[in-house]
Amino acid sequence: RKEVEQDPGPFNVPEGATVAFNCTYSNSASQSFFWYRQDCRKEPKLLMSVYSSGNEDGRFTAQLNRASQYISLLIRDSKLSDSATYLCVVGVAAGNKLTFGGGTRVLVKP
Amino acid sequence: DTAVSQTPKYLVTQMGNDKSIKCEQNLGHDTMYWYKQDSKKFLKIMFSYNNKELIINETVPNRFSPKSPDKAHLNLHINSLELGDSAVYFCASSRDPTNSPLHFGNGTRLTVT
Repeated sequence: RKEVEQDPGPFNVPEGATVAFNCTYSNSASQSFFWYRQDCRKEPKLLMSVYSSGNEDGRFTAQLNRASQYISLLIRDSKLSDSATYLCVVGVAAGNKLTFGGGTRVLVKP
Repeated sequence: DTAVSQTPKYLVTQMGNDKSIKCEQNLGHDTMYWYKQDSKKFLKIMFSYNNKELIINETVPNRFSPKSPDKAHLNLHINSLELGDSAVYFCASSRDPTNSPLHFGNGTRLTVT
């Protein structure tokens, strides 16, 4: 089993709709969680950190489920500019490592 | 002001050559990284330095050698380049190795012919 797994998609989303996807992690000692966005031929950019109680940033909501070992990202009122690959990142203190998932591709269409 | 800058942006070279990629960050971060993103878009860590000390050295051929002259710089030297080395290499930095988000440079697209 991979350390961090994501559904590669693509998720085809009508403009204005809501889309949600998960990221599962295998190490129960994981302690830090992030969502990144990567546009084609660009570097990954931090979208948001994920906190235990869940957090929201505008149209984006992130949740952490420690019992089932996954994090989720929900995008409301999708815009064309939300089309990108969304990468989850999980950190484990032992090993000093942040591990990336393979990414979930989202395509928002008019 | 670019936070994490790496050069060159594009690098096309022939098999067997030796090349270097430079990275600098002006964020005052203690930790710097090299990641490789292959054609399947997986981002894999190669090396991590914390305060100039190597803390992560994943299974990478020893043709790849990182050098950190100071906390703000982490360079990557690659000897005897092979076709399979073609990828995008990203430099990144963070405040600490595990709990802080990464800030990426804009990548170096390496093509080995």
